[in-house]
Amino acid sequence: DSGVTQTPKHLITATGQRVTLRCSPRSGDLSVYWYQQSLDQGLQFLIQYYNGEERAKGNILERFSAQQFPDLHSELNLSSLELGDSALYFCASSVGSGGYTFGSGTRLTVV
Amino acid sequence: GQQVMQIPQYQHVQEGEDFTTYCNSSTTLSNIQWYKQRPGGHPVFLIQLVKSGEVKKQKRLTFQFGEAKKNSSLHITATQTTDVGTYFCAGRSNDYKLSFGAGTTVTVRA
Repeated sequence: DSGVTQTPKHLITATGQRVTLRCSPRSGDLSVYWYQQSLDQGLQFLIQYYNGEERAKGNILERFSAQQFPDLHSELNLSSLELGDSALYFCASSVGSGGYTFGSGTRLTVV
Repeated sequence: GQQVMQIPQYQHVQEGEDFTTYCNSSTTLSNIQWYKQRPGGHPVFLIQLVKSGEVKKQKRLTFQFGEAKKNSSLHITATQTTDVGTYFCAGRSNDYKLSFGAGTTVTVRA
């Protein structure tokens, strides 16, 4: 257990639907990052939050949004889902400029 | 923007042999990190290098940060089946953004 909790582990949904992925960072970590990893692909940075505020944006589609709540957990909302959105979505957390601790990911399958 | 290139993309290694994976940045980095992702798993932080020319070892793994802080390498000696996975480097630029390389996927022939 890395200390970063992601739910659900698996999600199967239809095209056009909306889903919410949840992440609880490691205790004490203020930064939360979301990454997308498609089959045999690298880690595509989506967005970062720090202590409730958006800190950096990567290649995040307009159909995707995220937020970090006062208790520091974060949610990634994916809407109008397309087949190409099928991927592993990782959440990571960190304190300062050290290494990231990744959660075990949510595998999203859009059918 | 900053780009981190990693080569090779795939590395097929005979058990017991050594190999090296390389990471190059288009800009000077403040630090570089390495991660390992086992098949079906999530990336796990291995190490961070900060100083120019820094070399760190973890058992059979040797990590090096270039003198110009624009490149890094990971050398694994006497490869074992437990080394299977994808190794990512991630470079942090001076604006604190962390950019991941595409990874080197390692397979081992017993």
